[in-house]
Amino acid sequence: QQQVKQSPQSLIVQKGGISIINCAYENTAFDYFPWYQQFPGKGPALLIAIRPDVSEKKEGRFTISFNKSAKQFSLHIMDSQPGDSATYFCAASRGSSNTGKLIFGQGTTLQVKP
Amino acid sequence: DAGITQSPRHKVTETGTPVTLRCHQTENHRYMYWYRQDPGHGLRLIHYSYGVKDTDKGEVSDGYSVSRSKTEDFLLTLESATSSQTSVYFCAITFEGRAFFGQGTRLTVV
Repeated sequence: QQQVKQSPQSLIVQKGGISIINCAYENTAFDYFPWYQQFPGKGPALLIAIRPDVSEKKEGRFTISFNKSAKQFSLHIMDSQPGDSATYFCAASRGSSNTGKLIFGQGTTLQVKP
Repeated sequence: DAGITQSPRHKVTETGTPVTLRCHQTENHRYMYWYRQDPGHGLRLIHYSYGVKDTDKGEVSDGYSVSRSKTEDFLLTLESATSSQTSVYFCAITFEGRAFFGQGTRLTVV
């Protein structure tokens, strides 16, 4: 049972374009939604995170959009750069003391072409 | 890397042998976690610890055990390795409500 579903599996974007990755969750008790970026041979690194009391959070070129009623959230990468080429994971957890007990999506491999 | 060191970084072992992976942290974090990463599955939680001698099972704990006798070390043991346990294993800690991951251990069971 996949509690967090992520799409697309892979994505190719031109430099300067917008990359959009989507996630849907099932458990309405989830209250923390982070996105992780992973480069080959490295561990996942926290990129940005949101809680359900807001509908959008922006940090630099990265924005999370959150739709509580639809149980969906997405990552937007504006002005995508070749250095953004990596695998991205959405995740979810419940409870303020459980932000390390994460349910991950399957991952999206992003390639940004120069 | 939040002061996390995983060892070994790579290991090849034979089916049926015991294997122990180590996660060492230097920042006195209370919470520690072991995940495995497999294509098509993202990362899945194996076991976690809320303190010394305080551990619990995660989503995919069968075939794994853990121990935490010191705050800084969280050990993951495969009692009898199987080919299905070929994976990349990540240790994580939480700090200020956020999870930080180590560099990973690539384990191959042949």
